[in-house]
Amino acid sequence: DAGVIQSPRHEVTEMGQEVTLRCKPISGHNSLFWYRQTMMRGLELLIYFNNNVPIDDSGMPEDRFSAKMPNASFSTLKIQPSEPRDSAVYFCASSLRDTAYNEQFFGPGTRLTVL
Amino acid sequence: AQTVTQSQPEMSVQEAETVTLSCTYDTSESDYYLFWYKQPPSRQMILVIRQEAYKQQNATENRFSVNFQKAAKSFSLKISDSQLGDAAMYFCAYRSASAGGTSYGKLTFGQGTILTVHP
Repeated sequence: DAGVIQSPRHEVTEMGQEVTLRCKPISGHNSLFWYRQTMMRGLELLIYFNNNVPIDDSGMPEDRFSAKMPNASFSTLKIQPSEPRDSAVYFCASSLRDTAYNEQFFGPGTRLTVL
Repeated sequence: AQTVTQSQPEMSVQEAETVTLSCTYDTSESDYYLFWYKQPPSRQMILVIRQEAYKQQNATENRFSVNFQKAAKSFSLKISDSQLGDAAMYFCAYRSASAGGTSYGKLTFGQGTILTVHP
C-alpha cells in the first residue's frame, strides 16, 4: 500500500490567498484525521471524519478553515483567506476504524508557509 | 480535558546505550490508550509502541519498551541498544477508549523530546 498521500508537500502563498491541502487515506480505512504541527502549539487535531462524516471539528481554529470528505478516498482542508499565523505542517492520518486501538497512519505532511 | 506532558525537551545517548524518555498525563478516564510516536527529520510520524491502560503488563517492541505506571499517570519509553537511526523527535500521545469521551477520536500529544544519538 502507498500509505497516506498528501499534496502538495510544500506550499508557499501570500496572505489573503486561498490554500487547499489534499489527502488520500489508505484504501479501506474508515477514519481520517487532520492535524496541525507548530512550534508554539505542537501537534493538535483539527478535525476528524468517520465514514466520510465529520465527527469532531472542535479543533478547527476559525471559520477561515474548512474540511470536506466527499468520498472515502479523498479529503481536503481549505484555508480562506490564509494568514501568516497559519504557517505550519499539516498532517493527514487515517485508521481502519474509529476505535482507540487502531493505529493512525500519518501522511508525510504539507509544509505551509504564508507570507 | 486530557493533557500530556513531556518534561525533557532534549535527550542524548551514546550508540548502544540505553535511554529513557519521560511522559506524564492527566485524565479522569479509566479506559484509554497511550502511544509513543517517532518523528525523524523526514517529519513522517511513525508509531513506535502502544499501551492499553487496562493491561498491567508493559508493552515491548524489540528494543523499545515502556514503563506504564497507571496510578502515577506515567508512561516512559526505554530505548535499549540505541542506534543512530533512533535519532528523532519522540512524542507521547493519549487517546480515550471511551466512546463518549471528549477526546475519543483524537490523539492528544505531548510537546516532544528531541533524541540525539552520538556514535
